[in-house]
Amino acid sequence: DAGVTQSPTHLIKTRGQQVTLRCSPKSGHDTVSWYQQALGQGPQFIFQYYEEEERQRGNFPDRFSGHQFPNYSSELNVNALLLGDSALYLCASSIDRGHGEQYFGPGTRLTVT
Amino acid sequence: AQSVTQLGSHVSVSEGALVLLRCNYSSSVPPYLFWYVQYPNQGLQLLLKYTSAATLVKGINGFEAEFKKSETSFHLTKPSAHMSDAAEYFCAVSDRGSSNTGKLIFGQGTTLQVKP
Repeated sequence: DAGVTQSPTHLIKTRGQQVTLRCSPKSGHDTVSWYQQALGQGPQFIFQYYEEEERQRGNFPDRFSGHQFPNYSSELNVNALLLGDSALYLCASSIDRGHGEQYFGPGTRLTVT
Repeated sequence: AQSVTQLGSHVSVSEGALVLLRCNYSSSVPPYLFWYVQYPNQGLQLLLKYTSAATLVKGINGFEAEFKKSETSFHLTKPSAHMSDAAEYFCAVSDRGSSNTGKLIFGQGTTLQVKP
């Protein structure tokens, strides 16, 4: 049984560019949450998707957007990249809007130069 | 608003010694509480969680944690450290209210170093 998968593993972008990160949830999971983990910090909640809609959002600007597909996979989009967006982006999947345990993927390391 | 404080950003123990990682939370009602471990260049793995059952929670790899409401604490312990325990540990809370979406609020993390 495959766990949570994320792609790409690493990514280097230039300030002002746009980036899309992808996540496939664990089999049987219908909810995807995204977190940003800056170097030396704990993960911070960006938003959660359930039934293809954004259900809850953390304190992140509108430059951060997402999408959930009918197969429950999800994308995180970041526009107008800033140096401060450099971080490890973690995807977590769960059942029923997070009432179940959250399983984390290995993350995508984004570097903005 | 909920928050989590992990006391000590870096803890060093000798192999075979007791591991104690401290976590205090702030919440209007007792939340769900979690400990996660993160190895270098990897995602987070759940060690254990407290929902509403026994206050002493046993997890994987010999770790356990005790929920103390009076102290708003959820400290992580392991009787005997192993070299493979060296990693970053995160304490997290989640709202148990009707609007709960499972959103996790994490502490800053504690790096555990295990010396031979």
